[in-house]
Amino acid sequence: ETGVTQSPTHLIKTRGQQVTLRCSSQSGHNTVSWYQQALGQGPQFIFQYYREEENGRGNFPPRFSGLQFPNYSSELNVNALELDDSALYLCASTGLNEQFFGPGTRLTVL
Amino acid sequence: GIQVEQSPPDLILQEGANSTLRCNFSDSVNNLQWFHQNPWGQLINLFYIPSGTKQNGRLSATTVATERYSLLYISSSQTTDSGVYFCAVERDTGFQKLVFGTGTRLLVSP
Repeated sequence: ETGVTQSPTHLIKTRGQQVTLRCSSQSGHNTVSWYQQALGQGPQFIFQYYREEENGRGNFPPRFSGLQFPNYSSELNVNALELDDSALYLCASTGLNEQFFGPGTRLTVL
Repeated sequence: GIQVEQSPPDLILQEGANSTLRCNFSDSVNNLQWFHQNPWGQLINLFYIPSGTKQNGRLSATTVATERYSLLYISSSQTTDSGVYFCAVERDTGFQKLVFGTGTRLLVSP
């Protein structure tokens, strides 16, 4: 059984640019969630996708958007990057009631 | 929203020592998970424990849902136990949003 995978592992962008992060869910899991973890803090919920539809969103602006594909993989898109978007972005897939996390993508915005 | 507090914020142990980490939450929950975040940022599932007691090797956890707290016990600590321990809870909101605590940073020295 393959766990949750994310790509890329690291990314450096400049202010104003756009970025796309990718996640493959664990086999058999149809729900994917995205979290942002700033340095020294706990992860914060961005949004969740279930069967290709967004079904829950945290307190993040609309420039954070996502997609889920028929194979349940997912993308997180962030437009008009700001310095405060620098963080570790974590993807999680849900099996029964438990969430399992990928290794994360570390985004640096200069 | 629900508040999740963890204590202590930092803990330094000698190898072989035992420790107890605490997680308090401000409202009823239908999911509680403990995670260990390693130095590379990977969140590793330790326990899914909305209530009751579980054990896995040197680790065990107890959640008293009626009193809104959970405890994580680490016995005979090893240097590989170092990292940040997070408690995360979920309320019944129609979608699975984990709210993370502030974390306990553990350093186990040889």
